[in-house]
Amino acid sequence: QVTLKESGPVLVKPTETLTLTCTVSGFSLSNARMGVSWIRQPPGKALEWLAHIFSNDEKSYSTSLKSRLTISKDTSKSQVVLTMTNMDPVDTATYYCALSSGGAFDIWGQGTMVTVSS
Amino acid sequence: SYVLTQPPSVSVAPGQTARITCGGNNIGSKSVHWYQQKPGQAPVLVVYDDSDRPSGIPERFSGSNSGNTATLTISRVEAGDEADYYCQVWDSSSDYVVFGGGTKLTVL
Repeated sequence: QVTLKESGPVLVKPTETLTLTCTVSGFSLSNARMGVSWIRQPPGKALEWLAHIFSNDEKSYSTSLKSRLTISKDTSKSQVVLTMTNMDPVDTATYYCALSSGGAFDIWGQGTMVTVSS
Repeated sequence: SYVLTQPPSVSVAPGQTARITCGGNNIGSKSVHWYQQKPGQAPVLVVYDDSDRPSGIPERFSGSNSGNTATLTISRVEAGDEADYYCQVWDSSSDYVVFGGGTKLTVL
């Protein structure tokens, strides 16, 4: 059974850096055609794609947030990490990681809510 | 950047057919995926590659895509189908993912 689980701080202060970890099980991050994205959803709003990392370690980022985001993976630990710098209250959202095997996001984590507040 | 446009809301009576559209420039040339999201839950893939269903998704859910509009069709709508629905494409030319703004389906 394939599962993904997000972890990270519940609360961060403005200007701080957010680090989120997605731990996957039931598949290997080195599997061809497999990739993991981070997607967020502010309360009551739509889904917003942030970043993606492919099995060959290539990365892709949202144009509007590219300067603040870094995605990486540790295949041996089955983890994908997202860092977002200079956090602002507008970044308050539920952050999801999701598995893609061909363009669609087949499996999603449960999400982790992050609040940005002083 | 590529934009996907969905109606904010669609209402339908139980047993009827709901159609949720997703508009985009020449979207018919792309693969469109649809997600269902119920309150407090993560999204669930209900249709991928325009019209395929993942295992476990009822046949009542179907999709089509042509020209500038993709459509998610839910037949014989049930109260349990009430949710937000999102369309999504992967722009392979730039490896960029786009979601639509979401449509709230209300079952009257």
